[in-house]
Amino acid sequence: QVQLVESGGGLVKPGGSLRLSCAASGFTFSDYYMNWIRQAPGKGLEWVSYISRSSSYTNYADSVKGRFTISRDNAKNSLYLQINSLRAEDTAVYYCARGGVDTSMVLDYWGQGTQVTVSS
Amino acid sequence: SYELTQPPSVSVSPGQTARITCSGDALPKKYAYWFQQKSGQAPVLVIYEDSKRPSGIPERFSGSSSGTMATLTISGAQVEDEADYYCFSADSSGNPVFGGGTKLTVL
Repeated sequence: QVQLVESGGGLVKPGGSLRLSCAASGFTFSDYYMNWIRQAPGKGLEWVSYISRSSSYTNYADSVKGRFTISRDNAKNSLYLQINSLRAEDTAVYYCARGGVDTSMVLDYWGQGTQVTVSS
Repeated sequence: SYELTQPPSVSVSPGQTARITCSGDALPKKYAYWFQQKSGQAPVLVIYEDSKRPSGIPERFSGSSSGTMATLTISGAQVEDEADYYCFSADSSGNPVFGGGTKLTVL
């Protein structure tokens, strides 16, 4: 069965950095686009970033462009999100989600999320 | 920036049909996807590519899209369908975006 498990969240001061990880299992990881989505407390879903199967293509929401970097290691079945220059408004639950084979959009499986809190 | 517009809330009685709309200028050329999120849980895909239903999703969930509006329909809504629902699509450049979400109340 498909499983996605996020880790790496925590409490960090403004301006700090974190690296989120998403461990994938139950499917051929290298065959799928992958995404990060976040949800601030009491707010809606916000798409953050996607990466193509071979890492050739990446895309970011304007709100994180230049501060966040998505990457993947297909040999380790893992997805990552390096988040730098953290701001209070980055406080959210961060989810990884599987995209499609030819598109980032399907989001058919999600992890349970990892909490990132930015506070001094 | 591109926006997908959803009503903040929809309320129906059990057994009635609930319709949740999502409007966006690029929807004539971009697929819509729909997600259900119950309190404290991760979202679940209920409709993809406008009208396709993933395996395991009850048949009462259906989707359609016409012009600049996509619609999620829950025929014979049940109490367990009470949740937040989000549409998801892309702008004309292919940048993904979520709608603001609709809280469905079934009581």
